[in-house]
Amino acid sequence: GAVVSQHPSWVICKSGTSVKIECRSLDFQATTMFWYRQFPKQSLMLMATSNEGSKATYEQGVEKDKFLINHASLTLSTLTVTSAHPEDSSFYICSAQDRGLGNTIYFGEGSWLTVV
Amino acid sequence: RKEVEQDPGPFNVPEGATVAFNCTYSNSASQSFFWYRQDCRKEPKLLMSVYSSGNEDGRFTAQLNRASQYISLLIRDSKLSDSATYLCVVNRGTGGFKTIFGAGTRLFVKA
Repeated sequence: GAVVSQHPSWVICKSGTSVKIECRSLDFQATTMFWYRQFPKQSLMLMATSNEGSKATYEQGVEKDKFLINHASLTLSTLTVTSAHPEDSSFYICSAQDRGLGNTIYFGEGSWLTVV
Repeated sequence: RKEVEQDPGPFNVPEGATVAFNCTYSNSASQSFFWYRQDCRKEPKLLMSVYSSGNEDGRFTAQLNRASQYISLLIRDSKLSDSATYLCVVNRGTGGFKTIFGAGTRLFVKA
């Protein structure tokens, strides 16, 4: 079964609204989680590294005020897309690092966001 | 140059064929290595970790050559269900822990 759960699986929202995506590690504590975006037929793009109890580290070109990340517990990280626009429509995937298992990365099921 | 580079795809092979994917990484401080499989419109799933001694899981064999900074994945007796994108993934610890993904190699197995 899944060791990382992501919710919602898909969401449609109106332009200008905000959307929150949750990522939970189910079988282990994850001090570090990652958020990615993937456009059709393209590879995964790391957006940010989410660190429990501290600020997220954003990749170059990713707006931290637009993509708010909160990692308040060892099993939950959230990504909020604020003031969403149609160009934000994408597949968003989280992953969590299991340090007890050789730093293996497990992915959530992904969230399809469509902004209309 | 990208930190992790993979063979450009796509690979089109018949059922039963043996196919090999290659991946190179540029940072010698890289610590751990994995192959993931991603199906269309799905999240990547761990296929196997890669060890210096080489490891095998059924029809899949992974090899790591630290000296050459090279990782490979061999698939024997290809099945239609092997059609997917295969991602080479590298963890490194210097300059802040980071997971680097290759762009992926698309495999099509045809009947």
